[in-house]
Amino acid sequence: AQSVTQPDIHITVSEGASLELRCNYSYGATPYLFWYVQSPGQGLQLLLKYFSGDTLVQGIKGFEAEFKRSQSSFNLRKPSVHWSDAAEYFCAVGGSLTGGGNKLTFGTGTQLKVEL
Amino acid sequence: KAGVTQTPRYLIKTRGQQVTLSCSPISGHRSVSWYQQTPGQGLQFLFEYFSETQRNKGNFPGRFSGRQFSNSRSEMNVSTLELGDSALYLCASSLDTTNEKLFFGSGTQLSVL
Repeated sequence: AQSVTQPDIHITVSEGASLELRCNYSYGATPYLFWYVQSPGQGLQLLLKYFSGDTLVQGIKGFEAEFKRSQSSFNLRKPSVHWSDAAEYFCAVGGSLTGGGNKLTFGTGTQLKVEL
Repeated sequence: KAGVTQTPRYLIKTRGQQVTLSCSPISGHRSVSWYQQTPGQGLQFLFEYFSETQRNKGNFPGRFSGRQFSNSRSEMNVSTLELGDSALYLCASSLDTTNEKLFFGSGTQLSVL
């Protein structure tokens, strides 16, 4: 069964500092990997996705993520955090190649706080 | 282009009642998925509909059901509500079922008293 682990429940960074959110996955085939962000009272917004090819993917709002198959990881990074980045971040795995359709398995989320 | 619309935004019910939530996908999108979000269990997949057919189902009891109409709008129904059904229910729409990109609505916050 597929699963996603986000080991950090809460992370606090200073505005302007770099950010890395960790994500480890378990999946029996080539995974489709995603990072979503959720602001309070809102739905989820897709930041970036990895399907295949280049293991470093660029997303919106200056975020990037690197797929490392050997470590089963898909960590999210941003070189300089802005106060508006404070939100909850979710890593997810899915795979339409196995007929999974749009079923995603989400991690438990990492709550990001940005100190001014 | 209008986003995914979920109604109502908030809902309060009592145990034993039933509830129907509605989701209007982005125009042209044919796939609608439903997720339940709770502080304890996080985000869990309920089911997915594509062209009025259920394509995938999560591990939820039969009290949770859904359907999709010919215009791609979807409803989910929860019967015999339990306190544990209190959650944010999120709908996501997509062009198809290839997991390319999901667009989420703001959700319906259901409270069961």
